[in-house]
Amino acid sequence: AQSVTQLGSHVSVSEGALVLLRCNYSSSVPPYLFWYVQYPNQGLQLLLKYTSAATLVKGINGFEAEFKKSETSFHLTKPSAHMSDAAEYFCAVSERGGADGLTFGKGTHLIIQP
Amino acid sequence: EAGVAQSPRYKIIEKRQSVAFWCNPISGHATLYWYQQILGQGPKLLIQFQNNGVVDDSQLPKDRFSAERLKGVDSTLKIQPAKLEDSAVYLCASSSVRFANEQFFGPGTRLTVL
Repeated sequence: AQSVTQLGSHVSVSEGALVLLRCNYSSSVPPYLFWYVQYPNQGLQLLLKYTSAATLVKGINGFEAEFKKSETSFHLTKPSAHMSDAAEYFCAVSERGGADGLTFGKGTHLIIQP
Repeated sequence: EAGVAQSPRYKIIEKRQSVAFWCNPISGHATLYWYQQILGQGPKLLIQFQNNGVVDDSQLPKDRFSAERLKGVDSTLKIQPAKLEDSAVYLCASSSVRFANEQFFGPGTRLTVL
């Protein structure tokens, strides 16, 4: 069975500061990993995904994530936070690259302080 | 290209009543998913369709939930009878192998059971 753990239900950073959202996964097969963002009253939007090609994955809006097999982690980072980054972020795992249903973490609410 | 459409956006019902949600996926997307997102949690897969056939319904509470995708296009999810714990946002997503199975999400239907 696969699972995702997101450390920290809420993360607060100042505008312009580094954003770091943590995700650890468990999977019995080489995983596909995803980060999604959800703005209030909207559906989820894909930020980036890891599909075993490169361990450092670049996504939209300046976000990137690094796959570390030894740590079973896929943390999301952004060098400089912007007010528009305030949202809910979900890490998800899949065994078949998204062709199957995704298993999501509980989410991290990112708060940007002015 | 139009996104995934869902209706209604909001629904309030009494417990033991019935409710139905509708989803129209992106044109040409063969795979359709229904997720349940309870407040404070990540989405949980309820059912996955490939065209009009069920691929995975292992997490669907079949004693009260049902879903269909006639003609392999739009889909309905029904709850009968509803319980208080069914209060959640119901998200529909669709995907296509033409787009590397990326799941595109609709805005969701927020159900409140009183």
